[in-house]
Amino acid sequence: NAGVMQNPRHLVRRRGQEARLRCSPMKGHSHVYWYRQLPEEGLKFMVYLQKENIIDESGMPKERFSAEFPKEGPSILRIQQVVRGDSAAYFCASLGLAAGNEQFFGPGTRLTVL
Amino acid sequence: SQQGEEDPQALSIQEGENATMNCSYKTSINNLQWYRQNSGRGLVHLILIRSNEREKHSGRLRVTLDTSKKSSSLLITASRAADTASYFCATDAVETSGSRLTFGEGTQLTVNP
Repeated sequence: NAGVMQNPRHLVRRRGQEARLRCSPMKGHSHVYWYRQLPEEGLKFMVYLQKENIIDESGMPKERFSAEFPKEGPSILRIQQVVRGDSAAYFCASLGLAAGNEQFFGPGTRLTVL
Repeated sequence: SQQGEEDPQALSIQEGENATMNCSYKTSINNLQWYRQNSGRGLVHLILIRSNEREKHSGRLRVTLDTSKKSSSLLITASRAADTASYFCATDAVETSGSRLTFGEGTQLTVNP
């Protein structure tokens, strides 16, 4: 049973470009969480999604950021018109109903904005 | 201080010694979890302790939870150089939806061989 998959692992973008980060949850998991980690800091919650629904996006900036979790395929975190301050590690976690509230984290995508 | 705050920020010990890290939080929780992160890598789940539990063990790890003081501690016994990493506590608060986690800033543990 593969764990949470994220790709790409590293992403370099120039200011103003778009970044697309993908997350495939563990098999059978229908809850996905995105977190952002700035250098030398802890993880900060961004958004919580279930299949085809955004449940809680209170941690996500109102502009330039969007997330989706379609019926088929991975969850996507999309950052438009990236700025240097978006440089961070973005982690995805998934949760299954039988998991006892343990979130399983992916390896992260490290975004560098030049 | 913010929800899920660890202390100390950094801890340096010799191999074989015990390492104790503390975490304080502010709101009522469903559970508290500890994670390890090696430099530049992802998070590894260590242990989950529920709000009605007081102590939990897993190998060389011992976690305590005191809900009256809103605090938790992680003890690593007989530390090894491979335990060098950042350790984060994360709370699943009652007031927030769907098990989202609130992380502290972490404790950087260095175990010297």
